[in-house]
Amino acid sequence: GESVGLHLPTLSVQEGDNSIINCAYSNSASDYFIWYKQESGKGPQFIIDIRSNMDKRQGQRVTVLLNKTVKHLSLQIAATQPGDSAVYFCAENHDYKLSFGAGTTVTVRA
Amino acid sequence: DVKVTQSSRYLVKRTGEKVFLECVQDMDHENMFWYRQDPGLGLRLIYFSYDVKMKEKGDIPEGYSVSREKKERFSLILESASTNQTSMYLCASSLWLGGTEAFFGQGTRLTVV
Repeated sequence: GESVGLHLPTLSVQEGDNSIINCAYSNSASDYFIWYKQESGKGPQFIIDIRSNMDKRQGQRVTVLLNKTVKHLSLQIAATQPGDSAVYFCAENHDYKLSFGAGTTVTVRA
Repeated sequence: DVKVTQSSRYLVKRTGEKVFLECVQDMDHENMFWYRQDPGLGLRLIYFSYDVKMKEKGDIPEGYSVSREKKERFSLILESASTNQTSMYLCASSLWLGGTEAFFGQGTRLTVV
C-alpha cells in the first residue's frame, strides 16, 4: 500500500545543534515531497517541498534531502532554536492528494 | 494574509447526532480538504473538493459527507456521530490541485459522547 511514515515519533535536540528528521515513503510515483510544521494549538504550516526529480533543496535554515533509491526523505534544521519545537510531518503529493505521515515531535532543550 | 477559518474550536456532541463542521477560506482557492488528526496516525484525508459542488473521497470517507455550495465554504457532515469519530478535524485549502502548499485552519476538536 501507499504510505508516508516517519522513523521516530520524538526527537530531543539541544538548542544551537542541527536537527535531522527522517521519513520513509513507499509511493515512488509521488510528484512532490513536502515538510510541514505544526505548533501547539495550530494547524500545520508548509515549510519546504522538493520535486521528485531533485535530490536536495535548501531554504532558510532548512534543507530537505530526497533519496529515491531507498525511498527516504529528511529535513535538516540548522542551529535549532526554541521556536522550532513542534510536530513535523512529511507529506507526499500524488493524484491531487496530500498524504501525511504520523509526525515527529521535536523538543528543543535550552 | 491568507486565512482558513473553522467555525468551532471545540465541540461536544452526542452519539447519533448529525454534526456539521464548517470551514471558510478567503483566498479564492479552488481546492479544499478535510483531514482528521489522531495521535500516532498523522493526518488522514477524509474528503476533498476541487470546485464548487465537486467532491472526491479521500482515504477514510466512511461515516462522513461533505458539501461545497460556494467556493469559499466547505462543510464536513457526520451523518450520525459515533464515539470513534472523536478527533481533531482540520480543514485546508490550496491554490491548485496538485499544489504542495496547503493552508490549514486551527482545527476543531470534536468529542462524541
